[in-house]
Amino acid sequence: QVQVQQWGAGLLKPSETLSLTCAVYGESSSGYYWGWIRQAPGRGLEWIGEINHSGSTNYNPSLKSRATISVDTSKNQFSLRLSPVTAADTAVYYCARDQGFYWGIDIWGQGTKVTVSS
Amino acid sequence: QSVLTQPPSVSGAPGQRVTISCAGSSSNIGAGYDVHWYQQLPGTAPKVLIHGNTNRPSGVPARFSASKSGTSASLAISGLQAEDEAYYYCQSYDSSLRVFGGGTKLTVL
Repeated sequence: QVQVQQWGAGLLKPSETLSLTCAVYGESSSGYYWGWIRQAPGRGLEWIGEINHSGSTNYNPSLKSRATISVDTSKNQFSLRLSPVTAADTAVYYCARDQGFYWGIDIWGQGTKVTVSS
Repeated sequence: QSVLTQPPSVSGAPGQRVTISCAGSSSNIGAGYDVHWYQQLPGTAPKVLIHGNTNRPSGVPARFSASKSGTSASLAISGLQAEDEAYYYCQSYDSSLRVFGGGTKLTVL
């Protein structure tokens, strides 16, 4: 059974870089898109972006090029960097497997709470 | 402001049927892209409830159903149960981008 586990720093100061990593267990990360979604306190879901095993990426334009998603196929891991952060980036960040148009986002990480505060 | 529009809240008594709407536009749902629905219980990650407009993954009760027409979609929950109290999100696509609704809080009275 496929599982994902994510980790990263939970407390940042404004202008710093958010860095999160997600590891995939139970199968190869090839053949799917792997993405990041966030949820600000009391708010809905916001799609950040995604990457496939060959490094092809798609991003939410609203993040204005602050986000970078990368993949390490040798470790079956993918990562998110967001820089520079502001208080508006405070949210729970989820990594997830996206099976595309018909299957949707079918596997979600446990979420990482990130707080940006001076 | 979310790309897809959902009502902020709906409610119903146990055993009743409720529907949650998801309004899009000609660049997302109306362009023929599939719609998925997710259930988020308090303090947990979302879980896919319906994929590909109308399909329930294994383990999702048949009480949950969905439809899509034109530029909108809807989720129906019949035989409402206390454990259905949660947030529900629709999701579709706008070209290569994934777009979500703002979420609907379902309260079971």
